[in-house]
Amino acid sequence: QQPVQSPQAVILREGEDAVINCSSSKALYSVHWYRQKHGEAPIFLMILLKGGEQKGHDKISASFNEKKQQSSLYLTASQLSYSGTYFCGTERRTSYDKVIFGPGTSLSVIP
Amino acid sequence: EAGVAQSPRYKIIEKRQSVAFWCNPISGHATLYWYQQILGQGPKLLIQFQNNGVVDDSQLPKDRFSAERLKGVDSTLKIQPAKLEDSAVYLCASSHKQGIDGELFFGEGSRLTVL
Repeated sequence: QQPVQSPQAVILREGEDAVINCSSSKALYSVHWYRQKHGEAPIFLMILLKGGEQKGHDKISASFNEKKQQSSLYLTASQLSYSGTYFCGTERRTSYDKVIFGPGTSLSVIP
Repeated sequence: EAGVAQSPRYKIIEKRQSVAFWCNPISGHATLYWYQQILGQGPKLLIQFQNNGVVDDSQLPKDRFSAERLKGVDSTLKIQPAKLEDSAVYLCASSHKQGIDGELFFGEGSRLTVL
């Protein structure tokens, strides 16, 4: 039931772009994206709903393919502050939704 | 707006001892989650409350873990007796709404080390 994320880790130079993928074998209602820096709590980046609604970050975009149950997070013109571990969280449509997180993708941005 | 508060931040105990963690969610948030995050892994959902009722506790090891949310506000997670594999960060999160506004707000976590 846990979503799958790829890649496991990525190293970028400042200004480069990256894509992080998340997929599930179950039909999804929504996909969340969070970033966690070492020793800190995860912080919210994006939420994408089935049907196309989304809410999120100015400099980060994401997509949700409802047919394939896949989501991708796009980081463009990366900055040093983008370094951290990115988690996708998936929700299935039930009476009370619960968010199940993937294993994470470690992103390191170097000068 | 005050964030999710958790305490203690750090706890070191020996195996077979007990420990309790406290969480105060953002005011007005009906949904409260406890996650266990082992080093290098994603957060694993232990229990979800909607107000003061349990919505999902399917991943909670009920022989040693218990949680309550009296009055639908703050919550306590207890481990008794602790095992070495319980060493992790215990994250509390709360959420106000479902759908587009259903993002989770996390506390800073309680780091447990079991020796």
